[in-house]
Amino acid sequence: EAQVTQNPRYLITVTGKKLTVTCSQNMNHEYMSWYRQDPGLGLRQIYYSMNVEVTDKGDVPEGYKVSRKEKRNFPLILESPSPNQTSLYFCASSLRAAEKLFFGSGTQLSVL
Amino acid sequence: GDSVTQMEGPVTLSEEAFLTINCTYTATGYPSLFWYVQYPGEGLQLLLKATKADDKGSNKGFEATYRKETTSFHLEKGSVQVSDSAVYFCALNSGGYQKVTFGTGTKLQVIP
Repeated sequence: EAQVTQNPRYLITVTGKKLTVTCSQNMNHEYMSWYRQDPGLGLRQIYYSMNVEVTDKGDVPEGYKVSRKEKRNFPLILESPSPNQTSLYFCASSLRAAEKLFFGSGTQLSVL
Repeated sequence: GDSVTQMEGPVTLSEEAFLTINCTYTATGYPSLFWYVQYPGEGLQLLLKATKADDKGSNKGFEATYRKETTSFHLEKGSVQVSDSAVYFCALNSGGYQKVTFGTGTKLQVIP
């Protein structure tokens, strides 16, 4: 089954404790991206990647890192999380950015 | 930069009522336009898309027409069902840029 898999689904952590949210897709898509969803703000793009070893900043990249060492995986790294990073995070992939985006089920992150 | 403006919600309708959710955009070039739907507890999924002026996207009884002269892509459905209750996002991708811009989302609640 074609899918984007994110883990974990829920995560509670404390300020400053490094964490990684994983994202994997099984559709051989070139394009992957991370979004955060906040009430009243919709989805805002954090980072995107057009292919292996090619990443670029979205609208709200501060405090986040990503890597794309393999085509299927695109982890999101918060090296020193802060409470303002409490949000619902989505990973998405597509063949190209102008094509249909496939979304993961989301990761609800709470930073205390 | 690119932007998408959606009507604010929530929108509450009775079953079988007519639905319109307004969406206008600002973009460079000739963007592709999308409507995504998010059901409770799930990731977004593509509802319909249009890639050029005057194109009409349609799916599951929903329709939207790409209007270049008014820079709009309003979502319509003739008769909504309780199962249509969800959050609807308008989005665009400007050709040549590997980035998708989302609106803030409109929550639809359909009551029996």
